[in-house]
Formats: sequence, structure tokens, C-alpha cells
Amino acid sequence: SQTIHQWPATLVQPVGSPLSLECTVEGTSNPNLYWYRQAAGRGLQLLFYSVGIGQISSEVPQNLSASRPQDRQFILSSKKLLLSDSGFYLCAWSQGQDNSPLHFGNGTRLTVT
Amino acid sequence: GQNIDQPTEMTATEGAIVQINCTYQTSGFNGLFWYQQHAGEAPTFLSYNVLDGLEEKGRFSSFLSRSKGYSYLLLKELQMKDSASYLCAVGRGGYNKLIFGAGTRLAVHP
Repeated sequence: SQTIHQWPATLVQPVGSPLSLECTVEGTSNPNLYWYRQAAGRGLQLLFYSVGIGQISSEVPQNLSASRPQDRQFILSSKKLLLSDSGFYLCAWSQGQDNSPLHFGNGTRLTVT
Repeated sequence: GQNIDQPTEMTATEGAIVQINCTYQTSGFNGLFWYQQHAGEAPTFLSYNVLDGLEEKGRFSSFLSRSKGYSYLLLKELQMKDSASYLCAVGRGGYNKLIFGAGTRLAVHP
């Protein structure tokens, strides 16, 4: 069966510091991978998605970047965090076919102070 | 653009039935998904509709009308553990990109 791992679970970082969140998927090959952010009391916002190694699409302009160095590894980064980057970050995967559901990792709660 | 609307909060009684509505406006519609999210946890997949009609999965059912841009999630025989947020999401274009509504927070009372 497929599993998705995301870490760390919680993170407190000062403004201006760098960020690296990692996500790995097991039990499947060539998955679509996604990064979402959920601000308090708001819906999930799609940040990035990837359909293959090195292929990254950004949905909204922002202070973040994503990379996919391996088939089942997806990394979310920032060089300098802003207060507005605080939120609940969720990695997800889906099969390559359209209409396949997304399966989410347990999320990282990021607080920028 | 895309717009997904669902009520912010609902309350219901244990053992009852509740219907959570979702209306949407989007280009490139590619299916409608419902997710359950307990506080502080990740969303979990509940149901998917791409054709008009009702899909039933145990205590949960989901309905879609594409012409009306409307869906609902029906929860029967409510249990306390059903207290959670329910997220409506629309598939847009390709690559399974989902656009989420803000969610409906359901509180089930004894």
C-alpha cells in the first residue's frame, strides 16, 4: 500500500530564516505531487504541483519554491521566511490518471515569529 | 475564475441526518471531491462525483448536478466522531489539481 511521509510535524522559525520541508511517498511510482497551504480558518491553497522529476508548476506567486530531486521526493523551500508564511503545509500525492483523489500527508504546522 | 461556496458551520444531533451543500463556479471542471478533516489533522478522502447523480458509500452519500454547479454531502446516522470540517473540492483542468472551498465545520451533539 502507498504511504506518504511529511516532516517535521511542527516548526517555529524566525522571520528571515530559511525553510525546508520534505515529503516522500512510498509504494507507488511516478506520482503527481502537490504542496498545499492552509491558513487558519481558510481553505487549502494549492502552491505547487509536479508531474515528474524536475517538473514544477507554481500556482501562485510567493516567497516559496519547490523541487523534486527524485521521483517520490518533494521539497518546499524558502530563502527568507515572512510572517505571512505561517500556516499548515500539506503535501499530497495522486496517481497520474485524471480524477484520482489526492492523499495527504500529516502536515507541517509552521509558525514564523 | 473559480469560486466554491459552502456553509461555514453546521450543528446536528447524534443519530440524525445532515446535508452539507456546496456550490461552485469553475472553468475546466473535472470532478467534485469531498474530504473530511479533523482539527489539526490532514484531510482524508470521502467521495468523488464526475457524473450527475448520487454516489453512496455506507453512511455517506454525495450528489452532483453539473448544470447547476451544485453538490451535497449527506451524512446519515451521525456519530460524535463525525464532528469535523468537510471540504468540498473541484478538480480543475488536468493533473488532478483540486481547488478547495473553505470547509464546513460540523458539530455533532448528543
